[in-house]
Amino acid sequence: ETGVTQTPRHLVMGMTNKKSLKCEQHLGHNAMYWYKQSAKKPLELMFVYSLEERVENNSVPSRFSPECPNSSHLFLHLHTLQPEDSALYLCASSQDRSGPPNFGPGTRLTVL
Amino acid sequence: DQQVKQNSPSLSVQEGRISILNCDYTNSMFDYFLWYKKYPAEGPTFLISISSIKDKNEDGRFTVFLNKSAKHLSLHIVPSQPGDSAVYFCAASAWNFNKFYFGSGTKLNVKP
Repeated sequence: ETGVTQTPRHLVMGMTNKKSLKCEQHLGHNAMYWYKQSAKKPLELMFVYSLEERVENNSVPSRFSPECPNSSHLFLHLHTLQPEDSALYLCASSQDRSGPPNFGPGTRLTVL
Repeated sequence: DQQVKQNSPSLSVQEGRISILNCDYTNSMFDYFLWYKKYPAEGPTFLISISSIKDKNEDGRFTVFLNKSAKHLSLHIVPSQPGDSAVYFCAASAWNFNKFYFGSGTKLNVKP
């Protein structure tokens, strides 16, 4: 039990669909993150929220839209994705932005 | 440009022997380093860390060595066990960076 949960664990969607990924952390952490993991590539940091405020957006296409309604929940809204967006999407949290991220199990996304 | 590199995508070791996983970095500002382990269908889990004021940190069977002049760190697992078979990621940060840069991972296979 890592204290970070993600739903759904698997998602298959067409390019015209709209879906959302959900993340919840039960650790009382102040920072939350979305990472993308593609095969044989480094983990790519997508978004950072600190105290519910987005503090970093690493040149992520606008078809990915994050939302952080409170310090425990993080969403990633997806629309008009491309097949190359197929990857493992990992949510993480940390006590503060200098601390090691604590990862959830990830959502395996396939875009057809 | 990738600032943290794991140049060996895979490593195979016999049970009971030593596993050595390597990681190189390019940014001399990095002063805090992490290792994560990832099993299939799970998120990465934090394993061990080291800060630049040390050159070695040990936790049970796991030891991380840091060579600042060579910008190189390594993770030693002794003795290796089949349950250690996983993908290992290294990550690096600096005190004022507020984010971690990850390598692409090394898949370790420990043969019984």
